[in-house]
Amino acid sequence: DAKTTQPNSMESNEEEPVHLPCNHSTISGTDYIHWYRQLPSQGPEYVIHGLTSNVNNRMASLAIAEDRKSSTLILHRATLRDAAVYYCIPAYSGAGSYQLTFGKGTKLSVIP
Amino acid sequence: EPEVTQTPSHQVTQMGQEVILRCVPISNHLYFYWYRQILGQKVEFLVSFYNNEISEKSEIFDDQFSVERPDGSNFTLKIRSTKLEDSAMYFCASSQRWAGHGYTFGSGTRLTVV
Repeated sequence: DAKTTQPNSMESNEEEPVHLPCNHSTISGTDYIHWYRQLPSQGPEYVIHGLTSNVNNRMASLAIAEDRKSSTLILHRATLRDAAVYYCIPAYSGAGSYQLTFGKGTKLSVIP
Repeated sequence: EPEVTQTPSHQVTQMGQEVILRCVPISNHLYFYWYRQILGQKVEFLVSFYNNEISEKSEIFDDQFSVERPDGSNFTLKIRSTKLEDSAMYFCASSQRWAGHGYTFGSGTRLTVV
């Protein structure tokens, strides 16, 4: 499994952009990069995923480095509801392995 | 937006008893999963299920655990003889495919073994 490195915690002011980094230098060429978040006392929630190109959806943007060894999750305007633990997870795209391996993630605090 | 539904939200059981945790995955999803999270620890993979059989399981998923899709909508996790260390949040998830699609998780069942 590809190893990931994320900051233990980050803080952001409400309504400001947040850039959450992730290093995944051992990622293989066929691994997708998934991001999930977990709000307090809730299950993980899918945020976004990508393979090589940058991706946007209604929740966030994902910027993937050209060498794919790192990625950044971008929340364009942080709200109090975005306070959560954010997980960056390489997901193998080949047959036979379907699990997501969660690390400790980055705990994001949003300051009003 | 489609949801993964888990019942019950909280279950208390005595050590040694059998428990069944229930999940209704999203209807057009093909892959089903169980994860658990012991309080204060990481989310851990237990098992994946596709085409009516287990695709992959972790070391945690020993002979005390079993999964079943008894009909076209439910997906269950059974723990035959619960131990104190089985106390955790159990999350069900489903996906259309792996890797190239997002996984949708339920809100979990808190299992307390006393």
